[in-house]
Amino acid sequence: DGGITQSPKYLFRKEGQNVTLSCEQNLNHDAMYWYRQDPGQGLRLIYYSQIVNDFQKGDIAEGYSVSREKKESFPLTVTSAQKNPTAFYLCASSIPLRGNEQFFGPGTRLTVL
Amino acid sequence: DAKTTQPTSMDCAEGRAANLPCNHSTISGNEYVYWYRQIHSQGPQYIIHGLKNNETNEMASLIITEDRKSSTLILPHATLRDTAVYYCIVTQYSGAGSYQLTFGKGTKLSVIP
Repeated sequence: DGGITQSPKYLFRKEGQNVTLSCEQNLNHDAMYWYRQDPGQGLRLIYYSQIVNDFQKGDIAEGYSVSREKKESFPLTVTSAQKNPTAFYLCASSIPLRGNEQFFGPGTRLTVL
Repeated sequence: DAKTTQPTSMDCAEGRAANLPCNHSTISGNEYVYWYRQIHSQGPQYIIHGLKNNETNEMASLIITEDRKSSTLILPHATLRDTAVYYCIVTQYSGAGSYQLTFGKGTKLSVIP
């Protein structure tokens, strides 16, 4: 089955540690995105990538880093510089000429203790 | 991106049509209207999008006013599984298969038995 996978679903880390969230897609989509969602709020864009080896900052990139070495993968690192990292993180991908429909993964809920 | 205004919450009886309004009075001529929904603790799901004309697919219908300043998402026969937060988003295609979605707080639709 084609889709987007994010792992793990729940992640716990101690304050001050960097943590990397996984996002993999087998949809052959060029564009990939990372969003953050806080309780009762909408999604906010962290980073996006239109093509391999290229990515751009979104609205709230501070304290985060990404890489796009392969088309299928777009990992997000939450660094110790991120002041409030506890949140629900969502990865998405999209294909041109499909109405820009974004396909979302199931999300990773990160809790920093 | 143009901003949108949606009611915080709505109720709908099961089997009846659910009509979700959205105001986007500052929309520009080349901006699309998108609708996504998010069931609790899952990734958002694309529903439908449009530019000027009304649109219909297997999930819903989108009615856009002639002046494009507002739209209505219609779920023709709401079921309990349609209970979710519905996001109305206005965005512009930025080329190369990527674009930015700006999610507000959306409308929490509760379908009641």
